[in-house]
Amino acid sequence: AQTVTQSQPEMSVQEAETVTLSCTYDTSESDYYLFWYKQPPSRQMILVIRQEAYKQQNATENRFSVNFQKAAKSFSLKISDSQLGDAAMYFCASQGAQKLVFGQGTRLTINP
Amino acid sequence: GAGVSQSPSNKVTEKGKDVELRCDPISGHTALYWYRQSLGQGLEFLIYFQGNSAPDKSGLPSDRFSAERTGGSVSTLTIQRTQQEDSAVYLCASSNNPYNEQFFGPGTRLTVL
Repeated sequence: AQTVTQSQPEMSVQEAETVTLSCTYDTSESDYYLFWYKQPPSRQMILVIRQEAYKQQNATENRFSVNFQKAAKSFSLKISDSQLGDAAMYFCASQGAQKLVFGQGTRLTINP
Repeated sequence: GAGVSQSPSNKVTEKGKDVELRCDPISGHTALYWYRQSLGQGLEFLIYFQGNSAPDKSGLPSDRFSAERTGGSVSTLTIQRTQQEDSAVYLCASSNNPYNEQFFGPGTRLTVL
């Protein structure tokens, strides 16, 4: 079984600052993937970043990077130089046997 | 190319009625997923299709829920005798490989009165 926990229901950050969203997970799968998805008010789920568990190197995508600590089962998302368009719900998810298991989400507010 | 599309965008129905929700995946994607997003339960997996078969339907909450996929493409999620607790956003996703990124549609918001 897989579980994903996001302990921060809401976060806020000043525009241009850096913010980190936390995520912990548990899985019995030996091979799995971790994702951060963004969901703006339009409801469209958008992939932000993906990490293969077998890779030790942390994934980065422009202003978005992760801190993947496999032993601690931690997968946090760092957003640098926050922009107004980053405001959304952010979901952490794990994928083992095909299906995604999501955390409860963190609502991120960007203050101008 | 076009992304995943879902119809209708919004659906309001009366308790006890049946509803059908449709998902058109990205062309060529063999894997298709249905998820439900509700305030109390967050995002939950419902069912997974590989081609036209459903190897994992473990998330369907009751026998009032069923889904099918035809021609390895369009999928329909049917909810019979809807209840108020079925009110949620139903999201569909597709992937070209069960272990690759899932691309999501915009969802159908179902409201049961």
